[in-house]
Amino acid sequence: GENVEQHPSTLSVQEGDSAVIKCTYSDSASNYFPWYKQELGKGPQLIIDIRSNVGEKKDQRIAVTLNKTAKHFSLHITETQPEDSAVYFCAARMGTNAGKSTFGDGTTLTVKP
Amino acid sequence: GAVVSQHPSRVICKSGTSVKIECRSLDFQATTMFWYRQFPKQSLMLMATSNEGSKATYEQGVEKDKFLINHASLTLSTLTVTSAHPEDSSFYICSAWTGKAFFGQGTRLTVV
Repeated sequence: GENVEQHPSTLSVQEGDSAVIKCTYSDSASNYFPWYKQELGKGPQLIIDIRSNVGEKKDQRIAVTLNKTAKHFSLHITETQPEDSAVYFCAARMGTNAGKSTFGDGTTLTVKP
Repeated sequence: GAVVSQHPSRVICKSGTSVKIECRSLDFQATTMFWYRQFPKQSLMLMATSNEGSKATYEQGVEKDKFLINHASLTLSTLTVTSAHPEDSSFYICSAWTGKAFFGQGTRLTVV
């Protein structure tokens, strides 16, 4: 089955700096890669996603890049703010499997004011 | 984005009783919903895939008789934890699939 590794497990940055979280996946059949933000005591919130036919996607301060050859994808957050502090999860999914995703272990991001 | 409502957000029950958690897709229909369990500071562990009108598919190691899942309509799936014990205490989260997965706000279950 699919295996997703996520690094780093914790990340601390100063407000205004950029944060990068990286994930690798094992199954080349995976074709959908979402990123979720989870605040304490809440469910995960989809913040951005990318499909395998695209190399990069951007939404305001958030961007995701995908390298299919190397089987890795990354989340980039620019101009970080304290409210960006949360746990971030990456996931990988195969197109033939209706929504069943494999999640990374999560990254706890702390943005210091 | 699409809205998934999960209820209750918190529940405390006595050992041996059953608890039902509801997951509703408010503004879309979801043929497929998923139920996860999350331990503190850990990732999401898929428990089962719920398909409208058919039996749920459980992941290996998940007791189907203990965690009853019903997906009677395109907007509602329920998870019933039967004969709950303290070790069932956890954070349970549902998601609904509509080309993307949208999650509910989670249910904190405490069994005393």
